[in-house]
Amino acid sequence: ETGVTQSPTHLIKTRGQQVTLRCSSQSGHNTVSWYQQALGQGPQFIFQYYREEENGRGNFPPRFSGLQFPNYSSELNVNALELDDSALYLCASSFLAANEQFFGPGTRLTVL
Amino acid sequence: QQQVKQSPQSLIVQKGGISIINCAYENTAFDYFPWYQQFPGKGPALLIAIRPDVSEKKEGRFTISFNKSAKQFSLHIMDSQPGDSATYFCAASANYGGSQGNLIFGKGTKLSVKP
Repeated sequence: ETGVTQSPTHLIKTRGQQVTLRCSSQSGHNTVSWYQQALGQGPQFIFQYYREEENGRGNFPPRFSGLQFPNYSSELNVNALELDDSALYLCASSFLAANEQFFGPGTRLTVL
Repeated sequence: QQQVKQSPQSLIVQKGGISIINCAYENTAFDYFPWYQQFPGKGPALLIAIRPDVSEKKEGRFTISFNKSAKQFSLHIMDSQPGDSATYFCAASANYGGSQGNLIFGKGTKLSVKP
């Protein structure tokens, strides 16, 4: 059984640029959730995707957007990057009917 | 307001001792309470979880105690080991009509177990 994988591991961008982060869900899972974890804080829910549609969203602006593909993998896109977007971005996969979410290793985004 | 409050912020325990981390919640719709362990530079790993229909769940050295009336739950790590040194997060979520809700996390507790 393959766990949740994320790419890239690290990323450095400049304020105003756009970034795309990728996530492959664990085998058998059909739901992907994205979280932002600032340094020293708990993860904060960005949004969730199920059946290629957004299935819930946290308190994040529209410049945070996502996609889910037929193979259940997902992308997180952030436009017009701001310094405060610097964080660890975590992807978690689950089977919708269950609550157990399994996290990937994350992508460390630094915005300069 | 959906919020999970976690304490203490940091904890130092001697090897072999008991580590206790507490969380309190406000939303009575929450029906799933997991604990995650996170090492530096890694993603959170699911440690143990409980639902409100039981008051305690034990898995190895890790025990969750749940008090529904007080809206509190805690993680107990028995016989704490240096390898347990990590940041621990409590979380909660609600299930709406079979659709999984998002996890609301506490701010974390940094545990250091001294040899």
